[in-house]
Amino acid sequence: EVQLVESGGGLVQPGRSLRLSCAASGFIFDDYAMHWVRQAPGKGLEWVSGISWNSNDIGYADSVKGRFTISRDNAKNSLYLQMNSLRAEDTAFYYCAKDRLMVRGQDFDYWGQGTLVTVSS
Amino acid sequence: QSVLTQPPSVSAAPGQKVTISCSGSSSNIGNNYVSWYQQHPGTAPKLLIYDNNKRPSGIPDRFSGSKSGTSATLGISGLQTGDEADYYCGTWDSSLSPGHVVFGGGSKLTVL
Repeated sequence: EVQLVESGGGLVQPGRSLRLSCAASGFIFDDYAMHWVRQAPGKGLEWVSGISWNSNDIGYADSVKGRFTISRDNAKNSLYLQMNSLRAEDTAFYYCAKDRLMVRGQDFDYWGQGTLVTVSS
Repeated sequence: QSVLTQPPSVSAAPGQKVTISCSGSSSNIGNNYVSWYQQHPGTAPKLLIYDNNKRPSGIPDRFSGSKSGTSATLGISGLQTGDEADYYCGTWDSSLSPGHVVFGGGSKLTVL
């Protein structure tokens, strides 16, 4: 059974940093691209970042480019999102999502339960 | 403002069919596959349709997808109360390099 478990969310002050983690199991992690997708409370989905199976191809939404860094450790079956210079508008549930393919695409066939990041003073 | 445009809400009676539209441009829907996701309140999204019209294993054939030009459509037939949820379209957008994923603003389905 595919499982994606996010952790690392919480309350953080504007301008500070936070690192999210996603522990994957139930599939061959390094065979698939992975993504982070966020959803502000009561709002729609927003793709944040994606990384190919071998980390050679990485992309970011314009809203987080230069502030967020995605990475993965295939030996640990884990995906990460380093979030710096956090802003109030980054407040959202952050979902880890598995791509259907090895390369970055738009088909996310498994999702974690999400972790809430609240940016507030 | 989302890159892809969806109606905020749609509704239909149990047993009926409903369609949800998703409009984009040549940089996204016009030249890329479209996916559809279902999200019930308080839960993570679920992939319903990929590659415009393919269903992952376990998704009933009541759900269908199509694409024409720069628009895509999700169809749900034989509506059930459990279909009440938010529905999102998503696709690749190649207007910037590297490419990125864009979603519609979501459509709330009410089964009357």
